[in-house]
Parts: sequence; structure tokens; C-alpha cells
Amino acid sequence: SQTIHQWPATLVQPVGSPLSLECTVEGTSNPNLYWYRQAAGRGLQLLFYSVGIGQISSEVPQNLSASRPQDRQFILSSKKLLLSDSGFYLCAWSPSSLRTQYFGPGTRLLVL
Amino acid sequence: GQQLNQSPQSMFIQEGEDVSMNCTSSSIFNTWLWYKQDPGEGPVLLIALYKAGELTSNGRLTAQFGITRKDSFLNISASIPSDVGIYFCAGPLLPNNAGNMLTFGGGTRLMVKP
Repeated sequence: SQTIHQWPATLVQPVGSPLSLECTVEGTSNPNLYWYRQAAGRGLQLLFYSVGIGQISSEVPQNLSASRPQDRQFILSSKKLLLSDSGFYLCAWSPSSLRTQYFGPGTRLLVL
Repeated sequence: GQQLNQSPQSMFIQEGEDVSMNCTSSSIFNTWLWYKQDPGEGPVLLIALYKAGELTSNGRLTAQFGITRKDSFLNISASIPSDVGIYFCAGPLLPNNAGNMLTFGGGTRLMVKP
């Protein structure tokens, strides 16, 4: 069966510091991968998606970037964090043939 | 763009009661998905609907794909405290969507009185 992992689970970072969040998927190949951000008590905002290695599409302009160095690895990065980057970051994967997405456990980021 | 409107935004219910929530759109969808998110966790897929008129159950949960393809309903029977959470509907962006991107409703926050 397929599983999706995210780490770290929680992160507290100072403003201006770099960020690297990792997401990996097991048990499938060539998945579509997604990064979402969720503000407290709010809905899901799609940040990036990827249909293959090295292929990244950005949905909103921001302080963040994404990379997909391997088929089942998706990384969310920032060179300098802002206070407004605080939130709950969710990674998701989708079989390329199905219109569904499966979410990871999330990373809670607090920028101080 | 496509938007999904969920109703109600939040609700308190008495344990044991049945719950109904819905999701509507001005656009046609060919798939409806229902997720539940527990506090501090990622959303979990509850039910996926792929055909207009389809009625699908998952334990005490039942979801329906509206015949107009512009709405979907989720019902929970005999609610229990662990039903607390946020329920999201979602559907794929159309017409060109090579990345299987989804649009999400704003969520229905369910709170149960013990």
C-alpha cells in the first residue's frame, strides 16, 4: 500500500532563516505531488504541484519554492522566512490516472 | 474560477443525531471528494464519487453525487464524539487539468456535544 511521509512534524524558525520541508511517498511510482498551506481554521491553499521529476508549477507568487529531485520526493524551501509563512503545510500525492489526492500528516511551521 | 461552497460552515450537534452537509458549485464537476481533517492532522479521504446520481457509503457516512453535477451531499448517521473535525468537499479543476489539481470547499466544522 502507499504511504506518504512529511518531516519535520513541527518546526519553529526565526524570521529570515531558511526552510526545508520534505515529503516522500512510498508504494507508487510517478505520482503527482502537491504542496498546500493551511492557515489556522481555514481552507487549503495550493502552493505547488509536480507531474514529474524536475517539473514544478507554482500556483501563487510567494517567498517559497519547491523542488522534486527524485520521483517520490518533494521539497518545499525558502531562503528567508517571513512571519506570514507560519502555517500548516500539507503534502499530497495523486495517482496520475485518478482524480483523487491523499494527504500526508502535515508540518506545523511557526515563524517568530 | 470554480468555487465550491460548503454549508453549513459549522454546526453543533447532539451525540446520536444525524448530520447533513452539502457542497455546491456554479460549475459542473465530474468527481466529488469528501475529506475529514482531525485537529493537527492531514485530511483523510472519506468517500470519492465519480458518477452523477451515485450514492456511496462508508460506515455511518453516506455521500451522494448530485444529479445536476453541481452539488454533493454528505450525511453522518448517529454521530459520535470522534466525528468532530472539519469536513471538506473537493473536486478536480476543469477543463484542462493534467496535474489532477483539486479545488476545495471552505469546510464544515463539526462539533459534537457529549
